[in-house]
Amino acid sequence: GNSVTQMEGPVTLSEEAFLTINCTYTATGYPSLFWYVQYPGEGLQLLLKATKADDKGSNKGFEATYRKETTSFHLEKGSVQVSDSAVYFCALSEDFNKFYFGSGTKLNVKP
Amino acid sequence: DGGITQSPKYLFRKEGQNVTLSCEQNLNHDAMYWYRQDPGQGLRLIYYSQIVNDFQKGDIAEGYSVSREKKESFPLTVTSAQKNPTAFYLCASTPRGRTEAFFGQGTRLTVV
Repeated sequence: GNSVTQMEGPVTLSEEAFLTINCTYTATGYPSLFWYVQYPGEGLQLLLKATKADDKGSNKGFEATYRKETTSFHLEKGSVQVSDSAVYFCALSEDFNKFYFGSGTKLNVKP
Repeated sequence: DGGITQSPKYLFRKEGQNVTLSCEQNLNHDAMYWYRQDPGQGLRLIYYSQIVNDFQKGDIAEGYSVSREKKESFPLTVTSAQKNPTAFYLCASTPRGRTEAFFGQGTRLTVV
């Protein structure tokens, strides 16, 4: 079956530090992969996506590369800001019906 | 502006009562979803609907019911049969032929 595993949090960083949040997946076919971000008390917002192997999704300084050989989609940012503090969810979708979400990783960025 | 509107933002329910959460979208999306989020956990699918007058159970449908009488609307009823309804509920939709989901702002339901 399909599943997503992401690193447990919280992750605490100082402003301008490098961020990596690991995400690996299990899928029976060729899924699309996503990172969503959730700010306190709000819904999820799409951060970036990749639809096939070796694609790189990017947005607002965040990047993730679809690695089929390692079944991974790690999220990275070169220099985090306090405003990046949120919960980040890795997700996959293999058809138009269902999404599979990881458990979320909370990021705290200190000034 | 196009988007997904969930109401109310906060909802309190007494034990034994049914309660309905509203979800409306003006994005002209075909598919709509309801997810439940518990603290420190990911999202779990309750129900989804691909077209009007049709919907399917997700992974945790017991104690919930839905309807899809209009393309724009997908209300969720939390019935008294749901033993642990306190949670954050998220509605989402996807456009035809695309996989990324768009989410509403959520409804926090608390049983008192």
